[in-house]
Amino acid sequence: DQQVKQNSPSLSVQEGRISILNCDYTNSMFDYFLWYKKYPAEGPTFLISISSIKDKNEDGRFTVFLNKSAKHLSLHIVPSQPGDSAVYFCAASYQGGSEKLVFGKGTKLTVNP
Amino acid sequence: DVKVTQSSRYLVKRTGEKVFLECVQDMDHENMFWYRQDPGLGLRLIYFSYDVKMKEKGDIPEGYSVSREKKERFSLILESASTNQTSMYLCASSLARTDEQFFGPGTRLTVL
Repeated sequence: DQQVKQNSPSLSVQEGRISILNCDYTNSMFDYFLWYKKYPAEGPTFLISISSIKDKNEDGRFTVFLNKSAKHLSLHIVPSQPGDSAVYFCAASYQGGSEKLVFGKGTKLTVNP
Repeated sequence: DVKVTQSSRYLVKRTGEKVFLECVQDMDHENMFWYRQDPGLGLRLIYFSYDVKMKEKGDIPEGYSVSREKKERFSLILESASTNQTSMYLCASSLARTDEQFFGPGTRLTVL
């Protein structure tokens, strides 16, 4: 039972264009969402997060949008750079519970020069 | 900066061997986690610990055990390594269970 789904295993975009990575969740109790970035042979690094009281959070080139009614979040990278090529994991949790982070399976982003 | 270190970056073991993977964090975090990452399967939680000597099973604990004798150290043990345990193993720590987790660099384990 996959509570956090990243339905696109891969995405390819041109340098300078927008990258949009999507994530859907099924558990309506989730109230905190995170994105991680992972390069090959390295551990994931935290990128950006959003609480369910917000619908948008921005950090430089990275913006996360949350649509609670659709149980959907997306990560926008503008403009995309070749160094953004990595696997991106979406994760979710609910702060009031005893559950840990639940991760999606990841989307491999390739930014072509 | 939080630092999570893992004892080896690459490890090659034989089927049936007992394997120890060590993880140390330097931020006094309560919670520590062990994941494995496999292509197409994402990050799967093996075990986690929310306090010294405490442990909880994750999604795929079979064939693994863990030890947490000190707050900063969390060990993953493969009692009898098998080829299907060939994987990238990632350790993480966090202040609260549902908070941002900080990951180590990973150990690429190959079981022959």
